[in-house]
Amino acid sequence: GQNIDQPTEMTATEGAIVQINCTYQTSGFNGLFWYQQHAGEAPTFLSYNVLDGLEEKGRFSSFLSRSKGYSYLLLKELQMKDSASYLCAVLDSNYQLIWGAGTKLIIKP
Amino acid sequence: GAVVSQHPSWVICKSGTSVKIECRSLDFQATTMFWYRQFPKQSLMLMATSNEGSKATYEQGVEKDKFLINHASLTLSTLTVTSAHPEDSSFYICSARDLGGEGQPQHFGDGTRLSIL
Repeated sequence: GQNIDQPTEMTATEGAIVQINCTYQTSGFNGLFWYQQHAGEAPTFLSYNVLDGLEEKGRFSSFLSRSKGYSYLLLKELQMKDSASYLCAVLDSNYQLIWGAGTKLIIKP
Repeated sequence: GAVVSQHPSWVICKSGTSVKIECRSLDFQATTMFWYRQFPKQSLMLMATSNEGSKATYEQGVEKDKFLINHASLTLSTLTVTSAHPEDSSFYICSARDLGGEGQPQHFGDGTRLSIL
């Protein structure tokens, strides 16, 4: 079966750095997406990785290792507004998007 | 860029009513749009994949006759919840993918919160 694992919940302090991990086992791989979803709102696109390595976008970075079936989303200089759920999703060999259950990130002052 | 508009944002209606939700890609063309449902504190559940000019592909367990999908143009897909009942109350979200291909990200509408009394 296809499976995406990410922690259910994480807590971090304002101004700090947090890393949200995602591991996947899918039938094929055509890229991995990270989305942010605030409570009661629709997801917004953060990043897309299809090759190994680190992609940096401002305070957010996303890393991929295809051989390990592993990705992480790194958030720096955390702000209160970063409190949200972060969804990892993988495009499988049929270009179907397989969604993780999301990681709820709680930022404390 | 990549704006998806979903309308309406909120619907409250009586049991037995049919509700139509529109999803439009405003600044790009989308051969493929997706309809999701999300219950409180749960992950996104894909209901169906809508392809322009052809029949939608429904996920297992989703009733085709209850959730009617029409994707008549490259910028518009509609979901009609027919004869809605309280158990259909949920957050419905559409997304659209650019013509650039399957590797393009899905861009989401703001969602429709449906409450059936």
